[in-house]
Amino acid sequence: AQTVTQSQPEMSVQEAETVTLSCTYDTSESDYYLFWYKQPPSRQMILVIRQEAYKQQNATENRFSVNFQKAAKSFSLKISDSQLGDAAMYFCAYRSAYAGGTSYGKLTFGQGTILTVHP
Amino acid sequence: NAGVTQTPKFQVLKTGQSMTLQCAQDMNHEYMSWYRQDPGMGLRLIHYSVGAGITDQGEVPNGYNVSRSTTEDFPLRLLSAAPSQTSVYFCASSRLNEQFFGPGTRLTVL
Repeated sequence: AQTVTQSQPEMSVQEAETVTLSCTYDTSESDYYLFWYKQPPSRQMILVIRQEAYKQQNATENRFSVNFQKAAKSFSLKISDSQLGDAAMYFCAYRSAYAGGTSYGKLTFGQGTILTVHP
Repeated sequence: NAGVTQTPKFQVLKTGQSMTLQCAQDMNHEYMSWYRQDPGMGLRLIHYSVGAGITDQGEVPNGYNVSRSTTEDFPLRLLSAAPSQTSVYFCASSRLNEQFFGPGTRLTVL
């Protein structure tokens, strides 16, 4: 079974600074997806960024980028030029890429990291 | 295109009561799932379905039932609510590389 671990329950950053959220995972599969989700106080789950394991290039989405280290099973999220609107709970998640298997579509989540942004 | 809808948004139950959380999607996704979110534990899979008529248990299925009679709907039933089921519940539907979440239901069991 896959596991996802976020070792930072809380992080804080000054507005306009950069912060990195950590995530490690454990799997025996070679093909999978990794995600970072943002959950603001509204409770809505918002996809921030997605990484396919077979791609060596790290995904980026505007101010959000990841450092994907497949051998180390590490998947950190870097938020550059932090904004007040970035304050939220962030979840790292894993999903198998093997369509049709029993784990198809199942997301395994980490415990979450609460990010506070100070003005 | 409404995406994934859930009702109700909030619910308070007494111990032993039953209720159904409704979930619907209009994206024709085969895969749907229910998660519960508890502090410090992330989201955990309760039940999932890979298509109409096919359901299976996830990580924390005890106390919950599901059925999938249509592609669009995937209700979650609490047969006899317990305080341990106080949580936020999310329904989701999926295509290969992306999961779409509903807005969540906050359930309190007294």
